[in-house]
Amino acid sequence: DAGVIQSPRHEVTEMGQEVTLRCKPISGHNSLFWYRQTMMRGLELLIYFNNNVPIDDSGMPEDRFSAKMPNASFSTLKIQPSEPRDSAVYFCASTHEGGDEKLFFGSGTQLSVL
Amino acid sequence: SQQGEEDPQALSIQEGENATMNCSYKTSINNLQWYRQNSGRGLVHLILIRSNEREKHSGRLRVTLDTSKKSSSLLITASRAADTASYFCAHSGGYQKVTFGTGTKLQVIP
Repeated sequence: DAGVIQSPRHEVTEMGQEVTLRCKPISGHNSLFWYRQTMMRGLELLIYFNNNVPIDDSGMPEDRFSAKMPNASFSTLKIQPSEPRDSAVYFCASTHEGGDEKLFFGSGTQLSVL
Repeated sequence: SQQGEEDPQALSIQEGENATMNCSYKTSINNLQWYRQNSGRGLVHLILIRSNEREKHSGRLRVTLDTSKKSSSLLITASRAADTASYFCAHSGGYQKVTFGTGTKLQVIP
């Protein structure tokens, strides 16, 4: 299995630009999580999906952030417009029901907003 | 915030020594997990302990859980330089909502 795949690995953009981060969960996993990691705030849960449906998006910081999961094998996290304080590493993770909530993480997207 | 706290924030030990990290959380939990993160990489699951368990072992790892104190500890015995990483506890109380602690940065000096 290829594991959770995130793209791009690095993203550098200018303030005000739209940023789209992508994630492909492990095949057969039906829950997907988006986390953000910064030195100041640690690892924050932004949103998670179960069977492609958003279950809890209370961690999404602002309306500038949106996430979709159009099918079981793909999810996007979009920031529009981006701001310098959005600079962080964004991780996607997946798991399956009956998996004791053991998460499998992607390698992350390092986002820098200038 | 539902985020757990870990201490110490950083730990530096000599190779061969044991490393102990502690985690506290605020809510009731179904289970508690420990993850490891190497610099610049994603987190990797190490071990899970259920709320009705008190201790669990996996290789050189030993995890304890005290639900009355809402705390857990991770012990790494006979540490190696390759154990250098950040270690996070994570807990879940609600339906699959997994929340991570602040992490302990472990440095094992060869």
